[in-house]
Amino acid sequence: EAQVTQNPRYLITVTGKKLTVTCSQNMNHEYMSWYRQDPGLGLRQIYYSMNVEVTDKGDVPEGYKVSRKEKRNFPLILESPSPNQTSLYFCASSPQSLGRTYGYTFGSGTRLTVV
Amino acid sequence: SQQGEEDPQALSIQEGENATMNCSYKTSINNLQWYRQNSGRGLVHLILIRSNEREKHSGRLRVTLDTSKKSSSLLITASRAADTASYFCATDYTGANSKLTFGKGITLSVRP
Repeated sequence: EAQVTQNPRYLITVTGKKLTVTCSQNMNHEYMSWYRQDPGLGLRQIYYSMNVEVTDKGDVPEGYKVSRKEKRNFPLILESPSPNQTSLYFCASSPQSLGRTYGYTFGSGTRLTVV
Repeated sequence: SQQGEEDPQALSIQEGENATMNCSYKTSINNLQWYRQNSGRGLVHLILIRSNEREKHSGRLRVTLDTSKKSSSLLITASRAADTASYFCATDYTGANSKLTFGKGITLSVRP
């Protein structure tokens, strides 16, 4: 089944403890992106990747890192999480930038709580 | 902000009725997309309409685009309880090479 897989689904962590949220897609998509969703703010882009080894900042990149060493994987790294990073996170992929033909395929989300 | 804005913010209808949701945006677009999100789950792509298209259909969904008014509407006909979800419009702005810009969403409740 074509899908974007995020792990974990839920995560509670403490301030300052480094964590990684994994994202993997099995559709050979070139474009991948991370969004966070917060009440009243909608979805905001954190980072995106146009292809392997090509990543760039979105609207809210502060406090996050990403890497794209292989086409299928695009992990999101929080080096020192803070409570304001408590949010619902989504990874998305598309055959090309902006999903101009097929739209984005989203993962099921990771609900992160930082205490 | 270039974010698309959906209207209304919330909509409650009876099963079998039609649901109409609107989206307005601010600058030129390449395309506009609609997504559905069931509570706390990932977004699901519903339909994409290009800037040179005026209307598109997919099953019970009908999307229109008016580039002169910078607006789009999503019509769900003969709604079902399973259509209860949040709906988002997302815009691919001309010159924005890196992302879709999502609105804040419309919460649709379909009463059985």
